[in-house]
Amino acid sequence: QQKVQQSPESLSVPEGGMASFNCTSSDRNFQYFWWYRQHSGEGPKALMSIFSDGDKKEGRFTAHLNKASLHVSLHIRDSQPSDSALYFCAARSNTGNYKYVFGAGTRLKVIA
Amino acid sequence: DAGVTQTPRHEVAEKGQTIILKCEPVSGHNDLFWYRQTKIQGLELLSYFRSKSLMEDGGAFKDRFKAEMLNSSFSTLKIQPTEPKDSAVYLCASSYRGRDTQYFGPGTRLLVL
Repeated sequence: QQKVQQSPESLSVPEGGMASFNCTSSDRNFQYFWWYRQHSGEGPKALMSIFSDGDKKEGRFTAHLNKASLHVSLHIRDSQPSDSALYFCAARSNTGNYKYVFGAGTRLKVIA
Repeated sequence: DAGVTQTPRHEVAEKGQTIILKCEPVSGHNDLFWYRQTKIQGLELLSYFRSKSLMEDGGAFKDRFKAEMLNSSFSTLKIQPTEPKDSAVYLCASSYRGRDTQYFGPGTRLLVL
């Protein structure tokens, strides 16, 4: 069973717009989250991690974590065509062997 | 700093062949992961090594997939024998510790005919 659910499956936003992604963990042991981005033909690259409740901002990217609901979101403001990519949420367990799981991904297309 | 290196970038194999994919992790990283990526299944973990010890072997992939870490700076993934359903992108990633951010290589795109 998927431990990390992502939505939406795909997203189109105009250049300069806001892109928003959602991710929910179904297992309370998975409380540490990352967002990764993968451009076509490349491997995924980490955008940011978030481990504490609240917002974390890095440039145009803002992540928000609500540990009570195990929900994390990512927002990209002023989206650029170069942001068009596959975005993955990843979560890590805080028990056992610290298992790391990825969501299915959200495909973003930024339209110029 | 060199990132994760994977070779070859592309591989075409006939059904039943043996293929070996190679990965060099980021220098100093302790943990290494092999994933398979397809559009339908997404990212699937094949193997996970911590300090060269196999921690997880991906369950369903045990029978024809074998990953090894020959030393701390080199790993291989052998698929034997290959089947058309193995056509996918194979990604290698490393991290300083299993708890941390993973750094991915560019992947090997495998096509099995």
